[in-house]
Amino acid sequence: QKEVEQNSGPLSVPEGAIASLNCTYSDRGSQSFFWYRQYSGKSPELIMFIYSNGDKEDGRFTAQVDKSSKYISLFIRDSQPSDSATYLCAGGISSGSARQLTFGSGTQLTVLP
Amino acid sequence: DADVTQTPRNRITKTGKRIMLECSQTKGHDRMYWYRQDPGLGLRLIYYSFDVKDINKGEISDGYSVSRQAQAKFSLSLESAIPNQTALYFCAAGPTTDTQYFGPGTRLTVL
Repeated sequence: QKEVEQNSGPLSVPEGAIASLNCTYSDRGSQSFFWYRQYSGKSPELIMFIYSNGDKEDGRFTAQVDKSSKYISLFIRDSQPSDSATYLCAGGISSGSARQLTFGSGTQLTVLP
Repeated sequence: DADVTQTPRNRITKTGKRIMLECSQTKGHDRMYWYRQDPGLGLRLIYYSFDVKDINKGEISDGYSVSRQAQAKFSLSLESAIPNQTALYFCAAGPTTDTQYFGPGTRLTVL
């Protein structure tokens, strides 16, 4: 079973709407969670990270982790066409003394003007 | 921004050839990583290094090798390239596992 599973979408929302992106993770030691944004033809860039159960807000972005259901969410309020990109979730997986990031497969988001 | 550069940006090679992808970073970060990205599969970790003397296998290291020549340089080699190694390869660097800055990527095609 993959460590982090992501609904690959694609997802389309109208401009100004809330975009909701989700991942689930397996039980194997995930302690921190990340959302990366990747524009077409570009490299991934970190937009949010969250270490504990609950919510974290940064501008129009809110990240949520529900450890009881192993669910990771990203909400984008007031979506803009410039938010159109692929969003990758990742979990910090412990392997011995090292830690790695395990990425989901990505969700392609299109915000329609 | 860790100012991570990758060379070459694009490479076409033939089955059985040995090739090297190079990665450099200017911020002096200890940790460096190599990932490959395939459509529908996201990013998968090939190798990672926490310092010059520390090299670790990732999820999909078979068929690849790496060299950390200096703190700033981390190279990925394909000893005998095969078509299913056709992918987009990213190098990343950062001070911690939680903070990784990605290079622009190398698009590799193996014919």
